Amino acid sequence: QLQLRESGPRLVKPSETLSLTCTVSGGSITSTSYYWGWIRQPPGKGLEWIGSVYYSGSTYYTPSLRSRVTMSVDTSKNHFSLKLKSVTAADTAVYYCARADWQLANDFWGQGALVTVSS
Amino acid sequence: DIVLTQSPGTLSLSPGERGTLSCRASQSVSSSYLAWYQQKPGQAPRLLIYGTSSRATGIPDRFSGSGSGTDFTLTISRLEPEDFAVYYCQYYGSSLWTFGQGTKVDIK
Repeated sequence: QLQLRESGPRLVKPSETLSLTCTVSGGSITSTSYYWGWIRQPPGKGLEWIGSVYYSGSTYYTPSLRSRVTMSVDTSKNHFSLKLKSVTAADTAVYYCARADWQLANDFWGQGALVTVSS
Repeated sequence: DIVLTQSPGTLSLSPGERGTLSCRASQSVSSSYLAWYQQKPGQAPRLLIYGTSSRATGIPDRFSGSGSGTDFTLTISRLEPEDFAVYYCQYYGSSLWTFGQGTKVDIK
């Protein structure tokens, strides 16, 4: 069974860079059938799609975050990463990683990681 | 960019009742790429429906999806206690995916 797990610092200072990694187990991140995505959810609010990355490094980002987001893949470690720079309190959210399938949408999700932006 | 608007914001129903949730797109979209998710407090979203009407693995048949063009519907035929949750629609038919703002189904 495919499993995804987010890891990384849970507290980030304003103006610094948020960094998260999603480790994939039970399947290969180099599968040609899938992208790998990040979604976030501010406390008490709805879901926001951040973007997705292919194993080759091809990326798609939501326009509102495009200037601050970088996604990448490390095939040797079977994981993919999110970096969000110049964070503010508005970036405080639960960050989810998920598999992105062009037919099945986001069919497998990580458990989520609450990242708080605070000094 | 496509915007998805869900209604109502909150739906108050009793167990055993039928629930009808709406998702409207700002422009016509392909029905091949409309999904629905269920989210319970403290949990990650769970895929219910993909391609407008196909149930994901393990999803009971009381959940059904329909629609085309700009109007899509998730129907829960008879609400079970475990169905009280927040539901999101999602469009994934372009390079930029997007979610609706969610509908909360709570106990009347």
